Amino acid sequence: EADIYQTPRYLVIGTGKKITLECSQTMGHDKMYWYQQDPGMELHLIHYSYGVNSTEKGDLSSESTVSRIRTEHFPLTLESARPSHTSQYLCASSESIRKYGYTFGSGTRLTVV
Amino acid sequence: KNQVEQSPQSLIILEGKNCTLQCNYTVSPFSNLRWYKQDTGRGPVSLTIMTFSENTKSNGRYTATLDADTKQSSLHITASQLSDSASYICVVSDRGSTLGRLYFGRGTQLTVWP
Repeated sequence: EADIYQTPRYLVIGTGKKITLECSQTMGHDKMYWYQQDPGMELHLIHYSYGVNSTEKGDLSSESTVSRIRTEHFPLTLESARPSHTSQYLCASSESIRKYGYTFGSGTRLTVV
Repeated sequence: KNQVEQSPQSLIILEGKNCTLQCNYTVSPFSNLRWYKQDTGRGPVSLTIMTFSENTKSNGRYTATLDADTKQSSLHITASQLSDSASYICVVSDRGSTLGRLYFGRGTQLTVWP
């Protein structure tokens, strides 16, 4: 069944650690996105990609980086985690935003202590 | 100021009751509007999508309405169930670019009590 997967679901790490949040989709979508969501707040776009070797920063400034070497894979990396990075990170993909909207992953809840 | 405003921020209802959630937007030019359901700790799941020419769209016990003139949408839930407890997010897409852009509301947190 086509879907979008995020790992890990929960992550607690210490300040200064490097982490990578994984996101993979099996739908062959060209467009992939990373959103950050704090409790009770709207989703904020932090990175997006329209295809292999294409990555752009979103509306919300983020110290994270992304890569898109394969269509199905869109990992997000934090070189040095800080408590301010504590949040929920949602990955999404789409064939066409206007026609089909997004398919979201289940999210990664990151806590930096 | 967020271009998508939802109300109420939170709502508690008893199982079996109906409820209506509101979404007002200022996004222009408008392309479409979606309602998503987000269970705690999960990603949002699409419930309905409506374009400019559509006034109402149903998905089981969920019925969404759209008034493009007043830029308002509502999501009506009929005969609520405990599993309806979730955050309901209104998302508006513009057609200002060829690829579109999404504007998210902050969601309405619905709790259904037995």
